[in-house]
Amino acid sequence: ELKVEQNPLFLSMQEGKNYTIYCNYSTTSDRLYWYRQDPGKSLESLFVLLSNGAVKQEGRLMASLDTKARLSTLHITAAVHDLSATYFCAVETNAGKSTFGDGTTLTVKP
Amino acid sequence: DAMVIQNPRYQVTQFGKPVTLSCSQTLNHNVMYWYQQKSSQAPKLLFHYYDKDFNNEADTPDNFQSRRPNTSFCFLDIRSPGLGDAAMYLCATSRGAPRRAEQYFGPGTRLTVT
Repeated sequence: ELKVEQNPLFLSMQEGKNYTIYCNYSTTSDRLYWYRQDPGKSLESLFVLLSNGAVKQEGRLMASLDTKARLSTLHITAAVHDLSATYFCAVETNAGKSTFGDGTTLTVKP
Repeated sequence: DAMVIQNPRYQVTQFGKPVTLSCSQTLNHNVMYWYQQKSSQAPKLLFHYYDKDFNNEADTPDNFQSRRPNTSFCFLDIRSPGLGDAAMYLCATSRGAPRRAEQYFGPGTRLTVT
């Protein structure tokens, strides 16, 4: 059974600071997704990582994938309040189903 | 704009009264998913359709059923809702093999059971 672990689960940071969210998974996969969810809203796709060494960047967020270590990171640079949300990683199996991590709730304070 | 639409956005039902949630998509994706997301938890896959092929998760209760009459529509039927079924229900679509891509989520239906 595929297990996906995110840490930290809760993150409070000040505006302007940098931080990294980690996503570890237990079985081989070369397809990983990051989603953002605002309170009471649905999931918004942020990044699709499809191969070992993949790196994607959008604004203050950068995601990477190391399939050998079974690890993905979501790096936040110079955080701003608008980034406050819950971030989920999801790992896809060869069967095409995604298993989600528990989510990291990020709060960015002035 | 191509999108995933869910109706209704909010649904209140009584304990034990059957309810149906609807999802439609204009993306022409051949895979459709239903997730249940309870407060402060990750989405949990209930089942998915690959074209007309229905795939049920092993731990999805029998109380939950689904129908996909055509490519565009998919329904989630809860036969006898219990208080524990109160949640956000998310529909998602994706392009299937051989070139799978990310899932596109609808806005969700928040179900309240009284």
